[in-house]
Amino acid sequence: QKEVEQDPGPLSVPEGAIVSLNCTYSNSAFQYFMWYRQYSRKGPELLMYTYSSGNKEDGRFTAQVDKSSKYISLFIRDSQPSDSATYLCAMSDGNNRLAFGKGNQVVVIP
Amino acid sequence: DGGITQSPKYLFRKEGQNVTLSCEQNLNHDAMYWYRQDPGQGLRLIYYSQIVNDFQKGDIAEGYSVSREKKESFPLTVTSAQKNPTAFYLCASSIWDRGEAFFGQGTRLTVV
Repeated sequence: QKEVEQDPGPLSVPEGAIVSLNCTYSNSAFQYFMWYRQYSRKGPELLMYTYSSGNKEDGRFTAQVDKSSKYISLFIRDSQPSDSATYLCAMSDGNNRLAFGKGNQVVVIP
Repeated sequence: DGGITQSPKYLFRKEGQNVTLSCEQNLNHDAMYWYRQDPGQGLRLIYYSQIVNDFQKGDIAEGYSVSREKKESFPLTVTSAQKNPTAFYLCASSIWDRGEAFFGQGTRLTVV
């Protein structure tokens, strides 16, 4: 079983829809959770960072962590064509080894 | 502006040559990493360093070498022993125990 599972998609949605992305993990030692956005041929950009169960909002983005179920989610409200990118989940146990999902390609159709 | 700078953006290597990719950060981060990204395979860890003069192999270190002589710099050398070096290489850094990593813009290496 891989440490982090992320359905690679791709996911196509109409502009204005809610985008929902998920990752599951197997290592209960993970305590830091991140979502990155990566545009084509660019480096990943840190979008959301959290270290506790529950929800964290930042503008149109909400990160959700459920440690008991080993499940994290990213929601994008009112999606825009500029949100079209690959989204990677990542997690860490605090000992500097990061585990990444394979990424989810999202296409927002105008 | 604080951040991570990778250079060059594009690099071409002939068969049998060693090439060095540069990574510099001014975030005062202790930890630095090198990843390789191939289509459909996600990010794979090549090497990481927690402090100056110390580094550890990642999952795919064969054919690569690194040095960490300064806190700000973590260059990666792709040696001729790396049989399939064409890929997108990403450097990252983080505060040691937070896991919150920041990435550079990447170097695309192509073997010609």
